[in-house]
Amino acid sequence: EVQLVESGGGLVKPGGSLRLSCAASGFEFSRFTMNWVRQTPEKGLEWVSSISNSGTYIYYGDSVKGRFTISRDNAKNSLDLQMNGLRVADTAVYYCARIEGDLRYCRGTSCRSDYWGQGTLVTVSS
Amino acid sequence: AIQLTQSPSSLSASVGDRVTITCRASQGISSVLAWYQQKPGKAPKLLIYDASTLHTGVPSRFSGSGSGTDFTLTISSLQPEDFATYFCQQFDTFPLTFGPGTKVDFK
Repeated sequence: EVQLVESGGGLVKPGGSLRLSCAASGFEFSRFTMNWVRQTPEKGLEWVSSISNSGTYIYYGDSVKGRFTISRDNAKNSLDLQMNGLRVADTAVYYCARIEGDLRYCRGTSCRSDYWGQGTLVTVSS
Repeated sequence: AIQLTQSPSSLSASVGDRVTITCRASQGISSVLAWYQQKPGKAPKLLIYDASTLHTGVPSRFSGSGSGTDFTLTISSLQPEDFATYFCQQFDTFPLTFGPGTKVDFK
């Protein structure tokens, strides 16, 4: 059974840092692209970042570029999101999700986020 | 960025109703569109990808169609467990984007 379990969320002051982790199990982690998606009631679902199976290809949304860093450890079946320079607007539930397909060639590889974790809440407030 | 709009934003329906939700992209995205279902306090669940391919284990009452800029998600006969919010997502161009969601509730 595919399982994705996020951790690391919490309350942090503006300008602070937080590191989220996602523990994967039940599938061959090193074969899959992974991504982070966040959600707020006001803005809905927002894609944050994706990383290819080997870590070679990394993509970020404009709102987090330069502040967030995605990484993975295939030996530990783990995905991380280092978040620096946090803003009130970063407050959200953060989900990790597995991506089936190659984000470089989605028209030919049937891209989709087929499994999601339960989410971890990040609150940025003074 | 490609914008996805969904209509309606909410709808009220009864068990057994046929429900159709539309998703429109601001530019052509071929068929690289997925649909998700989300219930309160839970993560989204994949229903359909490539606009019309049913994800493993999803009931056949769900179907999707469309290509280019206009897409639809249809539930042929609404069941009690289908009351939820539905989102579309495009994978054609970065940044990946989601629609704002359509909430389906009890009439």
